[in-house]
Amino acid sequence: DTEVTQTPKHLVMGMTNKKSLKCEQHMGHRAMYWYKQKAKKPPELMFVYSYEKLSINESVPSRFSPECPNSSLLNLHLHALQPEDSALYLCASSPAGVTAGNQPQHFGDGTRLSIL
Amino acid sequence: GNSVTQMEGPVTLSEEAFLTINCTYTATGYPSLFWYVQYPGEGLQLLLKATKADDKGSNKGFEATYRKETTSFHLEKGSVQVSDSAVYFCALGVKNYGGATNKLIFGTGTLLAVQP
Repeated sequence: DTEVTQTPKHLVMGMTNKKSLKCEQHMGHRAMYWYKQKAKKPPELMFVYSYEKLSINESVPSRFSPECPNSSLLNLHLHALQPEDSALYLCASSPAGVTAGNQPQHFGDGTRLSIL
Repeated sequence: GNSVTQMEGPVTLSEEAFLTINCTYTATGYPSLFWYVQYPGEGLQLLLKATKADDKGSNKGFEATYRKETTSFHLEKGSVQVSDSAVYFCALGVKNYGGATNKLIFGTGTLLAVQP
């Protein structure tokens, strides 16, 4: 069983819709991450939150809007997506702080997003 | 810069065969190294890790040794099972700018197919 929970597992939306992806962890981790993964490729980093503040945005288009309302939750708000945004969206978490470089990230099972 | 090179797949083996998946890296500083496994329709699971040179990570019969002299972290298992069929990612972990979070640099992934 994964300790990072993502909902929904599947999402189909039109290009004009607004939807949100949710991620929750209760491991006390203060670093949280969003990744996009296309088929047969490794995950690509999108956003990093550190202590509930956005610390890294990997030049992601503004149609993706992250939010970290508290230390356990991470959201990804979607609006006006394109067909090429269809992918598996993964959330991950890890301990933050001085030992961060040695810490593994723990991944959820992802949300499979399809844009019609 | 930091990068990971992983052997191309797919790797097809018979049950009980010996497995090696090669992984080499280039890095500045002293990264941590990880192997992640992704089963069909799931997220990434941490398989094993090593945080410094000569460390050996092991889990579920899989092993990998952090070799600084050859900049390698090859994954091995003595006897594979059908249930080991998955995609395996080698990853290098470094601190992000500011130091409170980390960044994973992934290899391209290797698909392992084990036949009964």
